[in-house]
Amino acid sequence: DGGITQSPKYLFRKEGQNVTLSCEQNLNHDAMYWYRQDPGQGLRLIYYSQIVNDFQKGDIAEGYSVSREKKESFPLTVTSAQKNPTAFYLCASTDRARSTDTQYFGPGTRLTVL
Amino acid sequence: QKEVEQNSGPLSVPEGAIASLNCTYSDRVSQSFFWYRQYSGKSPELIMSIYSNGDKEDGRFTAQLNKASQYVSLLIRDSQPSDSATYLCAVGNNAGKSTFGDGTTLTVKP
Repeated sequence: DGGITQSPKYLFRKEGQNVTLSCEQNLNHDAMYWYRQDPGQGLRLIYYSQIVNDFQKGDIAEGYSVSREKKESFPLTVTSAQKNPTAFYLCASTDRARSTDTQYFGPGTRLTVL
Repeated sequence: QKEVEQNSGPLSVPEGAIASLNCTYSDRVSQSFFWYRQYSGKSPELIMSIYSNGDKEDGRFTAQLNKASQYVSLLIRDSQPSDSATYLCAVGNNAGKSTFGDGTTLTVKP
């Protein structure tokens, strides 16, 4: 049963804390993505990775960091430098081997700053 | 100007009517076009993809693409209350990146 899992579903962060959001996929997709969604808005790209050990900044990378040590995993760290991190975070993957941009999404993590 | 623009909505239609959702994009070299449905509090799911000019039909859904006008639309026939959701238009460059619009919220009233 292939898919993308994200954990935790809900996350609360105190001011000044770094937190890490997990994203795992067993679809054997090469490319993975992190998006941020604020209420009433679309998805904004934070980081993406097309192959292991390589990743690129998206449109709103400041205050975030990622790693891609394994094909299956693409964790996102929200650092204390991100001043307004409260949002819905979505991880996605695409099957670049089929040259398609269709995005498959995980269930999301809702981050709230206390 | 945003790269992908959608009618801000909200859009309200009666049950059984046709819902029409519109999207324009600015990058002429865009190659792939998608409509995703997102229920409140959930993640987006793919409804339709279209790559060539013209219409593509899948059940009650029809996607229309006009690359010359940089316009893509989604028609939902026989709208049902279960179609009530936010619909996101996305445009891909076939190099691994997609740009999303802000979405149009559709409400289908019984």
